[in-house]
Amino acid sequence: DVVMTQSPLSLPVTLGQPASISCRSSQSLVHSDGNTYLNWFQQRPGQSPRRLIYKVSNRDSGVPDRFSGSGSGTDFTLKISRVEAEDVGVYYCMQGTHWLITFGQGTRLEIK
Amino acid sequence: EVQLVESGGGLVQPGGSLKLSCAASGFTFSGSAMHWVRQASGKGLEWVGRIRSKANSYATAYAASVKGRFTISRDDSKNTAYLQMNSLKTEDTAVYYCTRQDTALWGQGTLVTVSS
Repeated sequence: DVVMTQSPLSLPVTLGQPASISCRSSQSLVHSDGNTYLNWFQQRPGQSPRRLIYKVSNRDSGVPDRFSGSGSGTDFTLKISRVEAEDVGVYYCMQGTHWLITFGQGTRLEIK
Repeated sequence: EVQLVESGGGLVQPGGSLKLSCAASGFTFSGSAMHWVRQASGKGLEWVGRIRSKANSYATAYAASVKGRFTISRDDSKNTAYLQMNSLKTEDTAVYYCTRQDTALWGQGTLVTVSS
């Protein structure tokens, strides 16, 4: 199975400051069709996961433009340009390239 | 309305069985693969398995932790996916979510508790 490793696992951030989460895969996430199926999710307390970013860098409808995704191959990053109070929660990366889907361990973002 | 609604969760004894349902509406269910994902209390997301569409021969895949015990099926006439869980263990206790192929749509989850 492809192992997804996120860092940090805990991320205290001051309101208005940027935040960055790293996600590394144990194998390349480039699919044979040329796409890279790396998604990012936000899970607020008590809620279902919400997809923020798909195929590395495509923001979902309704997701604020302060969220951005980047990366390639095995190394990916989710960035929040200016953290707001509503961004508190756990963030997960997920790979859908390989036959068995895998998630990262999650990164808990909290306000400092 | 585009939505997924899980049901069927509850309390079951170790070694028992339970069948979860995921009712879909508002999109072309028959053309979409469906995933099941679970989350133990205070823990991260764990992919359980997937069933593809008829066009992809209803192919299934499972995480190693549930393979041989869990079975995913679907009824396209009812726009519903199922997760049959057998030989349940205490470590299967979790909220179970279904999600659409693209993972852009998730249900609210249903809680399964395995305990004596």
